[in-house]
Amino acid sequence: AQSVTQLGSHVSVSEGALVLLRCNYSSSVPPYLFWYVQYPNQGLQLLLKYTSAATLVKGINDFEAEFKKSETSFHLTKPSAHMSDAAEYFCAVRANSGGYQKVTFGTGTKLQVIP
Amino acid sequence: NAGVTQTPKFQVLKTGQSMTLQCAQDMNHNSMYWYRQDPGMGLRLIYYSASEGTTDKGEVPNGYNVSRLNKREFSLRLESAAPSQTSVYFCASSSPANTGELFFGEGSRLTVL
Repeated sequence: AQSVTQLGSHVSVSEGALVLLRCNYSSSVPPYLFWYVQYPNQGLQLLLKYTSAATLVKGINDFEAEFKKSETSFHLTKPSAHMSDAAEYFCAVRANSGGYQKVTFGTGTKLQVIP
Repeated sequence: NAGVTQTPKFQVLKTGQSMTLQCAQDMNHNSMYWYRQDPGMGLRLIYYSASEGTTDKGEVPNGYNVSRLNKREFSLRLESAAPSQTSVYFCASSSPANTGELFFGEGSRLTVL
């Protein structure tokens, strides 16, 4: 079984401050991990993904995430928040299940950026 | 690039009415999915189709049916809509070649009165 826990349904940061969105996962097999972003009234789009090639993953718009197996975490960070980063962010884990790429999503974290 | 296209974008139904949500992808992906998104619950998988000709239940299939019409198209049908099915529905597709990354449509917002 696999699951994802996102700590904090709402996070507020000031413009220019560090963004840290937390994600912990559980998986019985080595996972693939993803962060998706959803802007208002839009679908989800991929920010970045971990596929075991490197533990520090860089994504679009200066976001990055570090896979820490010992902590079963995949936290998302960005050094300096921009107003355009205001959105909802979803962490997801994928493991093969009988040939089907089962993807499980967290409940999401809404990021507010304060001017 | 069209990607994943869903129709309609908005729909209001009365309890007991039926409707079909349409989804098409132009990326030649094998797998297609229907999710629903509700506040505070993330995305929950309704049905999926691992390949053309196959469909399987996800986490919350009750009250829904699907059809994988061909490799491009995957429709979701509500036979007798209930207020509990008020939600935003997302279609997605993926290919084994891209490590399971999902490509999403823009969503269909359904309200059942």
